[in-house]
Amino acid sequence: LAKTTQPISMDSYEGQEVNITCSHNNIATNDYITWYQQFPSQGPRFIIQGYKTKVTNEVASLFIPADRKSSTLSLPRVSLSDTAVYYCLVGPTLFSGGYNKLIFGAGTRLAVHP
Amino acid sequence: EPEVTQTPSHQVTQMGQEVILRCVPISNHLYFYWYRQILGQKVEFLVSFYNNEISEKSEIFDDQFSVERPDGSNFTLKIRSTKLEDSAMYFCASASGTSTDTQYFGPGTRLTVL
Repeated sequence: LAKTTQPISMDSYEGQEVNITCSHNNIATNDYITWYQQFPSQGPRFIIQGYKTKVTNEVASLFIPADRKSSTLSLPRVSLSDTAVYYCLVGPTLFSGGYNKLIFGAGTRLAVHP
Repeated sequence: EPEVTQTPSHQVTQMGQEVILRCVPISNHLYFYWYRQILGQKVEFLVSFYNNEISEKSEIFDDQFSVERPDGSNFTLKIRSTKLEDSAMYFCASASGTSTDTQYFGPGTRLTVL
């Protein structure tokens, strides 16, 4: 499975856009990029998933360059409630040859300040 | 919105005792998972379960662990003889596996082994 590298922590202020970049240099052809969010003492929550180019949903956008060796999660206009740990995960999905076990790294601890 | 539920929310047990952690996955989901998170550490994959059998397991999931889907709604994790190092949050997750493979996590069971 591809190893991922992301910042340990980030700080932001309410209303700002936050971009968290993840490096995954040895991503495989059948790997997808998935981001999860986790609040203290809660289970991880799916944010967004993509394979290439750009994906957008009601919560976030995911930018993936053509070489797929990195990806950027973009959170528009963060609020205090976005303070959480954000995980970048890379691996095959149920539809690309895996059983979709999720391998979590240490994640990025995002702190949003008033 | 359907959600994964887990009981109990907190379980305290003595070392060497057996514990059963219970999960009710989202109805009509076909893929089931257990993860654990030791306090302050990463979320770790334990096991995936599909079609009434284990599809993949990690090194953590040794002979003292077992999973079962005793009926159409419950999914359980049994630890036969608990150790101090089994103290952690245990998360159950499920995925549809049809139109999407997104894993939905439950709120977790905090297991404390004394």
